[in-house]
Order: sequence, then structure tokens, then C-alpha cells
Amino acid sequence: EVQLVESGGGVVRPGGSLRLSCAASGYIFDDYGVHWVRQAPGKGLEWVSSINHIGDRATYADSVRGRFTISRDSAKKSLYLQMNSLRAEDTAFYYCVRWSGNYPIYFFDYWGQGTLVIVSS
Amino acid sequence: SALTQPASVSGSPGQSITLSCTGASSDVGTYKHVSWYQQYPDTAPKLLIYGDDRRPSGVSDRFSGSKSGNTASLTISGLQAEDEADYYCCAFSGGETFLWVFGGGTKVTVL
Repeated sequence: EVQLVESGGGVVRPGGSLRLSCAASGYIFDDYGVHWVRQAPGKGLEWVSSINHIGDRATYADSVRGRFTISRDSAKKSLYLQMNSLRAEDTAFYYCVRWSGNYPIYFFDYWGQGTLVIVSS
Repeated sequence: SALTQPASVSGSPGQSITLSCTGASSDVGTYKHVSWYQQYPDTAPKLLIYGDDRRPSGVSDRFSGSKSGNTASLTISGLQAEDEADYYCCAFSGGETFLWVFGGGTKVTVL
């Protein structure tokens, strides 16, 4: 069974940093890219970042580019999101999501349960 | 959002409803294939449709997708109480940019 388990959320002050982790299991980690998708409380989904299966291609939404860094560790079967210069508008549930499909048909087939990040003074 | 969805759609049990997802003039023509996700309150989204009209195994055949021009659509046939949820479309940018965008979501209410 595919499982994605996020951790690392919490309360942080504006301008602060936080590192989210996602532990993957139940599939061959190196065969799939992974994304982070976030959802502010009561709001819609927002794609944040992706990293391909090799780990040599990362992309970011305009809203986080230059502040967030996505990475992965094959040995630990884990995905990370380093978040710096956090703002109030970054407050959201952050979901780790598996990237499936073949170009140009891509989709998100498995989602973690999310970890909550609150940016507040 | 670069993709526009109606905020809410409602229907009676047994009816069919269609949710739209419209891109800007260059969008869904520029964006590649659309996927759809269902989300219940306080739970993670679930994949319903990918590649505009393909249904993953395990998803009810009451859900179907299509795309024409700048608009993608999700149709729910034989509406049931359990279909009351939020629905999101998502498109991939294609090309060299490798970006994704979600619509704002549609709340489906079963009357």
C-alpha cells in the first residue's frame, strides 16, 4: 500500500524557517517524482513545488520561488521542503503527493494526510 | 487561479451535473491535460479523472471527464448524497516550465 506521511509542521514566526519531511513507502521511491501541494484553512488547493524521480529537476510556484527548496533522499525514501522567509500567507496544510503519468499526461495519484504550518507572531 | 471553476453547483439525487474548468484564452490550450480531484472536509484530495477523460481503477463510472477548447468538464451522473464534496481541476503547463495550476474548486451540494 502506497503511503506518504508528512511531518515537521508547526507554528513559526514571520521571517522564520521550517523544514517539512515526507516519508514514502509501498512503492519504488526512485521511480516517481513527488510534489508539495498546500491548502490554506478553508481555501482551495495550490501547487507549491515538484521534484522529478531522479532529483535533478525541481520547479516552484511563483509564490514560493526563491524562498522554498524541495529535495529528496533516495536512501531514506523521503522528500523534504525547506521553507525560509515564511510569511503569514504561507499558513496552510502541506500535502506530499506522488507524481504519476507520462509526459504530457501527469497527475497526482497518492496524497499524504498533510501537515499544518502556521506562520504567526 | 489561472483555471476558473464555479464556486458551487447543486443537484438532486439521481440528476446529472457538470462542473466546468475554464482556462484563460491561452491557458488550457497551453496547459496540457487536466485532472480532477474530490475532497471531503478534513481529508486529503482523491484523484477522480486524469488525462482529461481517463478514470483510475476504483473510481465510479458515474464520474466522467471531457475537454473542449479552453474548458474541461467533470460530469457526475446519478448524483448521490456521498458526492457532496469539493472538486478541483488541475492542469500541467507542459513545455519546459513544468508547472501545475489548480482551479479554485467547486462545492457540490446534493439537495
